[in-house]
Amino acid sequence: EVQLIESGGDLVQPGGSLRLSCVASGFTFSSYWMSWVRQAPGKGLEWVANIKQDGSEKYYVDSVKGRFTISRDNAKNSLYLQVINLRVEDTAVYYCARVIGSYGHGGDYWGQGTQVAVSS
Amino acid sequence: QSVLTQPPSVSGAPGLRVTISCTGSISNIGAGYDVHWYQQLPGTAPKLLIYGNNNRPSGVPDRFSGSKSGTSASLAITGLQAEDEADYYCQSHDSNFSGSNWVFGGGTKLTVL
Repeated sequence: EVQLIESGGDLVQPGGSLRLSCVASGFTFSSYWMSWVRQAPGKGLEWVANIKQDGSEKYYVDSVKGRFTISRDNAKNSLYLQVINLRVEDTAVYYCARVIGSYGHGGDYWGQGTQVAVSS
Repeated sequence: QSVLTQPPSVSGAPGLRVTISCTGSISNIGAGYDVHWYQQLPGTAPKLLIYGNNNRPSGVPDRFSGSKSGTSASLAITGLQAEDEADYYCQSHDSNFSGSNWVFGGGTKLTVL
């Protein structure tokens, strides 16, 4: 059974930092692109970042470029999102998702999410 | 402002059929990029409902179907059930944005009357 379990969300002040983690199981983690997607309170879904199987390609939505860094450790079956200089508008539930292999976009499995709240 | 446009809400009585539209442009759906649909039940994570325009993952009832034509896509749900009450999102790729991005519709809340 495929499982994705996120952690690391917290309440932080504007300008603060966090490291979100996602531990994968039930599939060969190193064979898939992985993504982070977020959902602000009461709002829709927003793609945040993608990372290739070996970490050699990374892509970000414009609003987080320079502040968020996606990474992975295939030996630990883990995906990460380092977030710095957090803004109030980054408040959201952050989901990790496995990218649908043959399409290059879209998520076929999602974690339960981790909550990030940015407030003074 | 979402790149893909969905109606904010739709409703239908149990047993009936509803459709949810997803309108894009020549840089996303109209460029030939596939459309995926997600169902998000209250308080839960999104779940893949339809992938590649009209394919259902294992375990998704055949009451759910997808289609795509030109710059638009649609999700149809037949035989509405109370458990279908949820938010539904369409998603594709857009060539106007750099990298391997995903673009979403704003979501449609389905109410089963």
